[in-house]
Amino acid sequence: EAGVAQSPRYKIIEKRQSVAFWCNPISGHATLYWYQQILGQGPKLLIQFQNNGVVDDSQLPKDRFSAERLKGVDSTLKIQPAKLEDSAVYLCASSLDPGTVYGYTFGSGTRLTVV
Amino acid sequence: AQSVTQLGSHVSVSEGALVLLRCNYSSSVPPYLFWYVQYPNQGLQLLLKYTTGATLVKGINGFEAEFKKSETSFHLTKPSAHMSDAAEYFCAVSDGIAGGTSYGKLTFGQGTILTVHP
Repeated sequence: EAGVAQSPRYKIIEKRQSVAFWCNPISGHATLYWYQQILGQGPKLLIQFQNNGVVDDSQLPKDRFSAERLKGVDSTLKIQPAKLEDSAVYLCASSLDPGTVYGYTFGSGTRLTVV
Repeated sequence: AQSVTQLGSHVSVSEGALVLLRCNYSSSVPPYLFWYVQYPNQGLQLLLKYTTGATLVKGINGFEAEFKKSETSFHLTKPSAHMSDAAEYFCAVSDGIAGGTSYGKLTFGQGTILTVHP
């Protein structure tokens, strides 16, 4: 079974620039999550999709972050404009049903550095 | 709201020694509890998970954890550390009730870096 694919693996941008991350979940997984992991901290949920609808985006800084999941498959997370404090690893995860024993699968992440 | 506290941001053990990583959680509803491991520049790998049933959960690589509701704890242990266990470990909690506001949403602790000495 193919895992959760994310690209790019690394990205360096200057502050105030824009950036986009892409995630392709495991085939058939209805639920998709984006997490932000700042160095030295645990991951924090930014947004949760069920198919192509948003379930929870309460922690998403909507003035600069946006995300979409067209057709309920892959997803894009965008930051515009980026700030220094956005430097982090952005993890995508998907699940068939979060209640199953191995419900969650994480991608390898995109490491963003804002300079 | 749910929360997780991992006691000790760094734990150092000798190879062959017992590994004990501590995790306490707070949840107003029956929780699902998780331990993940993260190697440098990699994503999160599930070690084990507690949902319902047996409170002693066995995972991969010889790790296990015990859910203690009275202590709101879910400590991770391994009888004998191996050099390959050196990594960062995260405890996480989610809502265990389907349809709940936090169902499927993982709340993570700050992480514990495990160092294994020869």
